[in-house]
Amino acid sequence: QQQVKQSPQSLIVQKGGISIINCAYENTAFDYFPWYQQFPGKGPALLIAIRPDVSEKKEGRFTISFNKSAKQFSLHIMDSQPGDSATYFCAAALKTGNQFYFGTGTSLTVIP
Amino acid sequence: DGGITQSPKYLFRKEGQNVTLSCEQNLNHDAMYWYRQDPGQGLRLIYYSQIVNDFQKGDIAEGYSVSREKKESFPLTVTSAQKNPTAFYLCASTTTGLGNTIYFGEGSWLTVV
Repeated sequence: QQQVKQSPQSLIVQKGGISIINCAYENTAFDYFPWYQQFPGKGPALLIAIRPDVSEKKEGRFTISFNKSAKQFSLHIMDSQPGDSATYFCAAALKTGNQFYFGTGTSLTVIP
Repeated sequence: DGGITQSPKYLFRKEGQNVTLSCEQNLNHDAMYWYRQDPGQGLRLIYYSQIVNDFQKGDIAEGYSVSREKKESFPLTVTSAQKNPTAFYLCASTTTGLGNTIYFGEGSWLTVV
């Protein structure tokens, strides 16, 4: 059973546009929600993360929106650039222990 | 520099052979993990360890083995029992506690020939 559901599987956006990736979860015990960016042949790298006590977090062009009641969170990439082309994973971690649950990933392509 | 070092980056194995992937971290992290990633797929947990000399199976542990004799090291052995071992393997680590980020190594490509 997939603990964290991610969509879409792939996304194509024009340069300068907004990229939006969505994730949903069921387990209300999740307490930490990071997003990772992965380039081909590389390990995932932390992009931005949020706790459920805030509804939005912004770092540069990247914003996480968090809806606790709907159990959904999303990544928005503003002014998308070709260099943003990568695979993005959402994740959720439990309050106790060190269990991380990853979404299935979204392949983002930003076309010039 | 602090980080997670995986080696080798590329490895070719003949069918029937065991192979060991190395993972070393100097971040003083307590927990370490091994994930498998197939092309275009997500991350699947193989094994994890939260403390030295202790580890637990993940979702796809069959055909793999690990050890955790030192805090900084968590090698993964891909045995001949693993029927489809060709994949990208990622080692990761994190500190214990709430809301701690998991950090990944650069990965190891294993190809069975």
